[in-house]
Order: sequence, then structure tokens, then C-alpha cells
Amino acid sequence: EPEVTQTPSHQVTQMGQEVILRCVPISNHLYFYWYRQILGQKVEFLVSFYNNEISEKSEIFDDQFSVERPDGSNFTLKIRSTKLEDSAMYFCASSEWGGLTEAFFGQGTRLTVV
Amino acid sequence: ELKVEQNPLFLSMQEGKNYTIYCNYSTTSDRLYWYRQDPGKSLESLFVLLSNGAVKQEGRLMASLDTKARLSTLHITAAVHDLSATYFCAVERNFGNEKLTFGTGTRLTIIP
Repeated sequence: EPEVTQTPSHQVTQMGQEVILRCVPISNHLYFYWYRQILGQKVEFLVSFYNNEISEKSEIFDDQFSVERPDGSNFTLKIRSTKLEDSAMYFCASSEWGGLTEAFFGQGTRLTVV
Repeated sequence: ELKVEQNPLFLSMQEGKNYTIYCNYSTTSDRLYWYRQDPGKSLESLFVLLSNGAVKQEGRLMASLDTKARLSTLHITAAVHDLSATYFCAVERNFGNEKLTFGTGTRLTIIP
């Protein structure tokens, strides 16, 4: 069964460093998302991406964040200068036709900023 | 702004008992999802509810949607330990608006 895969599963980084989280969406999907979940809290939307551009972003997704689809298969989330409060589980998701179809989530990347 | 609230936040129940988790949302929605999350794991899709009166069942779990009341329920029948997890509802506000707004989650613990 096709699935969304994320790497790495766990990333530890020092405050102020840049991190790139990687995702491989399901191959025929056209819409891609990043969500995050701070430990013990609810899942929060960060950004949606379609046709090589951001279609919607939340207040959390400030100038420190960026997304990219560098090739035909990967979808990345970059945090330029990490803060302690960026520590969270980051989930990538993809869907075939955006709001018309269900989104499938990857297994997540746990980011720990020290 | 769409708000999604679940209750209870924590639920401890004995095996064999029945219980219901409630999900209220604040504005019109086209679809509602229920997800299960085990500790440290990803979100497993349980149900997608698309219309008023929709009811779906899978094993001991049954989900329903009342769009007029802006309420969805997840009913657990004869709970077993394997159902211990955190359950989230998530609402998609309107057709084509892809993002999901998640509820606060209900941490369910089934006690033998």
C-alpha cells in the first residue's frame, strides 16, 4: 500500500541551526501539507502546497519556515534558525486532489531543539 | 476562525464498557475525520464522514455526523485494551479548502 515517508525519524539540533525535514509523498498525489504537534498537544496546520506554490499557510508558518519540492518526489520543510519552541513532531501529508480527497500522513519527524 | 473541541480530554474506562467521545465544531464543514494516534506514532485514519447523518462502523468503533448540530461522535462498544490511544477529530472547513483543523484529542485508556 502506498504511503508517505519522512526522514529522519528523529532530529536533534542546536538552537539557531537550520534543519531540513524531508518527505516523500504518495506518487500520484498533487497536494502536500506540513503539520506539527507539540508534545501532548493537538495537531496544528502549518502549510499546504500545490502546483509548486504555497496555497495556504498558518500564523505559525513565519519567515523562518519554507517549503520546497526540489524534484519530482521530495517535499521539504526548512526551518532557518531553530528555536526551542520549534521542538515538536512534524507530520507531512499528501492528498490526491486536495480538499476533494483524504490526506494521508507520514510517520512524523521528531525535532528536538537544544 | 474554525474551532474544534473534543470532550472528554481524558477517558479511563474498563474493558467491556461502552463510551462516547464528542467532537463539536464551530462553523459549517464539508467533511470530518477521526484519527487514532498511538504514543509517538503517526495519525491513523479511522473514518471519513461526508454528509449529515453519516454513520460508519469498524469493529468496536462507530462514528456519526450531525452537520446541523455541528457534532460528531465516536462510540466505543465493549472496549478492549487494544483501543487505548489518543483519538482526534479533524474538520475540513469547506470543499477545496484542504487544511484540517484538529480537535484537542481524547486520550483513552482501557483498564483491564
